[in-house]
Amino acid sequence: DSGVTQTPKHLITATGQRVTLRCSPRSGDLSVYWYQQSLDQGLQFLIQYYNGEERAKGNILERFSAQQFPDLHSELNLSSLELGDSALYFCASSSETGPRDEQFFGPGTRLTVL
Amino acid sequence: AQTVTQSQPEMSVQEAETVTLSCTYDTSESDYYLFWYKQPPSRQMILVIRQEAYKQQNATENRFSVNFQKAAKSFSLKISDSQLGDAAMYFCAYRQGSSRNFGNEKLTFGTGTRLTIIP
Repeated sequence: DSGVTQTPKHLITATGQRVTLRCSPRSGDLSVYWYQQSLDQGLQFLIQYYNGEERAKGNILERFSAQQFPDLHSELNLSSLELGDSALYFCASSSETGPRDEQFFGPGTRLTVL
Repeated sequence: AQTVTQSQPEMSVQEAETVTLSCTYDTSESDYYLFWYKQPPSRQMILVIRQEAYKQQNATENRFSVNFQKAAKSFSLKISDSQLGDAAMYFCAYRQGSSRNFGNEKLTFGTGTRLTIIP
């Protein structure tokens, strides 16, 4: 158990819908990262938040957005869902933003868009 | 942009034998970190081993060791005395160094190698 929790574990929805994925980092971790794992694109970095502020953006679609709240949990919002958005979405957290610090991954949320 | 390449989609090894998984990367940076992550059927991402580019000594964690060739930009993972629990997808990952460098903490992953352990 990494200490990072993600809810829900599974999500099945229809095209055009909107969903919210939730992540609670390890206690005390200030950085939260979102990654997408799909068959087409592999594991890709989406976005990073540090202490409530957006710190870096990767290959995140405009239909996707995220935020980190004062209690440090984070939410990834996916809207106007398409079949290609079906993937495993990981959240990871780390205590500092220095390179030595390990990113601890949550168990992921499997999103299926029908 | 940095890229990570894993040219072996699948590998298999007899239980108790040794196997080496390959990874190459491309970067113009001199300060960076390399990682191997394991993803078992549970889908959990587990850090296996890390290597700092400025260290010449290869990292070792129990049965796992790396062969880091900086000039060749190669970073292979050797698993000794393979066990059934080692069966998983293995991902090589790169992270830029220069600590506190704004916005460079993301991991860049390779496409993974599926390792099968033959009893």
